[in-house]
Amino acid sequence: NAGVMQNPRHLVRRRGQEARLRCSPMKGHSHVYWYRQLPEEGLKFMVYLQKENIIDESGMPKERFSAEFPKEGPSILRIQQVVRGDSAAYFCASSREGGRQPQHFGDGTRLSIL
Amino acid sequence: KQEVTQIPAALSVPEGENLVLNCSFTDSAIYNLQWFRQDPGKGLTSLLLIQSSQREQTSGRLNASLDKSSGRSTLYIAASQPGDSATYLCAVVEYGNKLVFGAGTILRVKS
Repeated sequence: NAGVMQNPRHLVRRRGQEARLRCSPMKGHSHVYWYRQLPEEGLKFMVYLQKENIIDESGMPKERFSAEFPKEGPSILRIQQVVRGDSAAYFCASSREGGRQPQHFGDGTRLSIL
Repeated sequence: KQEVTQIPAALSVPEGENLVLNCSFTDSAIYNLQWFRQDPGKGLTSLLLIQSSQREQTSGRLNASLDKSSGRSTLYIAASQPGDSATYLCAVVEYGNKLVFGAGTILRVKS
């Protein structure tokens, strides 16, 4: 069973460009979560999605960030007009159901902004 | 607002020692608690999940306990090995399914 797949593993962007991070959940999992780990800080929740629905985006910055989980294909975290402060490791997790089910994590995408 | 604290922040022990990592949380209204391991530059590996109705879970040399009423969990590692060196993260799941993480304990096991 393939785990949670994230790509790319490393992404370099210049200030003002767009970054697109992809996450394919584990087979049979319909719940996807995005977390961000800033340098020297802990992991922080960003957004929780089910197929075609955003359930909770309380951790997402109000501007420039968006996320989707379409009916077909991976979940996408999109950052527009990136700034240096967006440099971080972005992790995706998935679960079969919400709440009491364990979340399984991908290896993350390390985003560097020049 | 839920806050998760892990003590100690870092720990260095000789190989073979038994050790305990501590985690505390401020709001006892949780669904479950998960312990993870993170290696440098890698993702998170789930070690143990304890449901809110459970008191402990065991996997190999690992044992995790949960005292929900006092807002505490411990991860016990028996007979530590150099391969156990990593950052250990505690996280609680509260209503809404999101994980709230502690800052982690950096463990180094010396051979």
